Amino acid sequence: EIVMTQSPATLSVSPGQRATLSCRASQSINNNLAWYQQRPGQAPRLLIYATSTRATGTPAKFSGSGSGTEFTLTISSLQSEDFAVYYCQQYNSWPPYTFGQGTKLEIK
Amino acid sequence: QVQLQESGPGLVRSSETLSLTCSVSGGSIISYYWNWIRQPAGKGLEWIGRIYTNGSAKYNPSLKSRISMSVDTSKNQFSLKLTSLTAADTAVYYCARLRFLDSPFDQWGRGTLVTVSS
Repeated sequence: EIVMTQSPATLSVSPGQRATLSCRASQSINNNLAWYQQRPGQAPRLLIYATSTRATGTPAKFSGSGSGTEFTLTISSLQSEDFAVYYCQQYNSWPPYTFGQGTKLEIK
Repeated sequence: QVQLQESGPGLVRSSETLSLTCSVSGGSIISYYWNWIRQPAGKGLEWIGRIYTNGSAKYNPSLKSRISMSVDTSKNQFSLKLTSLTAADTAVYYCARLRFLDSPFDQWGRGTLVTVSS
């Protein structure tokens, strides 16, 4: 099973600033990585797939990068609706599909 | 836009079997992979299993002995059964869609909270 590790667990950033979230896989997952946003009381929403491709409706302020085992989600010009929990997920090797434990992005 | 809606009991007793159904509307269930994912309160996401519209299923090895999934294409629904419940199975259960095996979960239901009581 591929273990996904996200850092930091909590990230405090001021509105208008940029946030950088990290995700590491226990082995290479090529570029088969997705990022999801989960707001309180809601289901996760797909933001980015294939490491860097924005899903339909994802604003350009969200960008993904990385390869192999190291991946990054960058969110620019943070607004109130961006403060949420973000999960990375690998779909390269299954079963099982696996998620990171999440990074909570909070207002500083 | 396809929509997914989970349904099932909110409260089940320990050692019993949980049955959940996901109804798909706004699109066909055919030719996609349909999944169950769960999330204990305040915790992360755990993939439970998936089923294709021909009935072929794959399960999380950690839960494999307790899971069965089925699909009813005539009703545009798929279902999950989880046996021998314990408190550790208390979670929000989501259904979600995969377009392909090597693809992300692109559509999710709102989730349904299942509490296992002793």
